Amino acid sequence: RKEVEQDPGPFNVPEGATVAFNCTYSNSASQSFFWYRQDCRKEPKLLMSVYSSGNEDGRFTAQLNRASQYISLLIRDSKLSDSATYLCVVNKDTNAGKSTFGDGTTLTVKP
Amino acid sequence: EAQVTQNPRYLITVTGKKLTVTCSQNMNHEYMSWYRQDPGLGLRQIYYSMNVEVTDKGDVPEGYKVSRKEKRNFPLILESPSPNQTSLYFCASRTGAPLYNEQFFGPGTRLTVL
Repeated sequence: RKEVEQDPGPFNVPEGATVAFNCTYSNSASQSFFWYRQDCRKEPKLLMSVYSSGNEDGRFTAQLNRASQYISLLIRDSKLSDSATYLCVVNKDTNAGKSTFGDGTTLTVKP
Repeated sequence: EAQVTQNPRYLITVTGKKLTVTCSQNMNHEYMSWYRQDPGLGLRQIYYSMNVEVTDKGDVPEGYKVSRKEKRNFPLILESPSPNQTSLYFCASRTGAPLYNEQFFGPGTRLTVL
C-alpha cells in the first residue's frame, strides 16, 4: 500500500460544478499536509496548506480528518483555469525534511 | 526575484556518462530536495538536505548522489546514468521548521538516458 493515495481520476466536470478530491495517508504520525497544483508537467506550486481545523481560500476548502487519516480538497464553482493536476503532500513527524507526494488527480473543467 | 533555478532544463545523454544537474536558490532556505516525476508514479523524493553538509536519502536514492557545500546550491549527480533514470527532475527548497512551510520548486530538468 502506498503511503499517500489519491483518487485516481481523471475528473471531467462542467464549469460551475463542485468537485472534491480525497487523499489518504498511512502514517498516523504525519504532521503537516498540503495541496499542490501542477500544470502540464510544469513545477508544482502550493495551493493550500491543510490545518487541523480546516481552512478555506476563496473557492477552495481543505479538510483534515486525523481519525480516518485523510485530507480533502473541495473546489466550488469550478473555472476552466482550475484544470490541472492536484497533488497531496504529507510530511512525516519524525523527519521534517522528508515529503511524500500522492500520484495526483487530474481535473479537467469543460465549458 | 525569489526563485529556484535548475540547469540544464533538457539533457539527452548516453548510458554511463556522468552528469550533474545543478540547483540553486536565492531565498536563503535551509531545506532543499530533489524529486523525480514519472508517469503514473507522481513525485518521488530522491534526496533532501536540511542544511549545509547535512543530507539524507529520500524514497528512491539508488543511482544518485548529492552534496550541500553551500546553502544556496544542491547539485544532483548521476555517476553512471542508466535508461531507467530517464525522468523529469525537480529541485525544491523551503525554510526550516516549523512544518507548515511551502516548498518552492525549480522549473524542472527533463533527462533522457539512451
